[in-house]
Amino acid sequence: KQEVTQIPAALSVPEGENLVLNCSFTDSAIYNLQWFRQDPGKGLTSLLLIQSSQREQTSGRLNASLDKSSGRSTLYIAASQPGDSATYLCAVSYPLNNDMRFGAGTRLTVKP
Amino acid sequence: NAGVMQNPRHLVRRRGQEARLRCSPMKGHSHVYWYRQLPEEGLKFMVYLQKENIIDESGMPKERFSAEFPKEGPSILRIQQVVRGDSAAYFCASSPGTPGRTGNTIYFGEGSWLTVV
Repeated sequence: KQEVTQIPAALSVPEGENLVLNCSFTDSAIYNLQWFRQDPGKGLTSLLLIQSSQREQTSGRLNASLDKSSGRSTLYIAASQPGDSATYLCAVSYPLNNDMRFGAGTRLTVKP
Repeated sequence: NAGVMQNPRHLVRRRGQEARLRCSPMKGHSHVYWYRQLPEEGLKFMVYLQKENIIDESGMPKERFSAEFPKEGPSILRIQQVVRGDSAAYFCASSPGTPGRTGNTIYFGEGSWLTVV
């Protein structure tokens, strides 16, 4: 069964802290993995896409890593800001599926 | 280039009524996906369509739910005889090809929030 789990479910940090969000998946035969951001009442914005052959991707203060063999990905956010407060979703694509499998998300609050 | 457009953004229906949610994909995108998000849960795949064809409806409930993507016009997700458990956010996404394949980034709409009272 292809399941995606995100830990923690919620995280609250003071502004300026570096933080790590975790994503694990049960079937390691993935095609790629994406991290999305979702603001309350809004749709999803793609942050980073990692192909199965890649180890990491970086965009600004965000760095996503992928360890296929252990079924894990992490999203590292450096120098967090209140504007980073949102829910972060991890989603995995598999070669023979037409859909993406989503985790339940980590709700991040960055306090000023 | 407008993004994925969904309407209505918010919809309230009484139990037993029908709900119709519309999705216009990004220009040039021929692949449309519908996902449902229940409170405090991740997105769950419902159906994948291309123009005039349902490619994969493995995530769609067998009864009361249907989807179409006609040759002209938006994709429609239709829920008949709604029940309270149908209350959720319904997200549409589009891509130029199969999601995640090189160059085929998937774009999500802002969602349609259905409340059944």
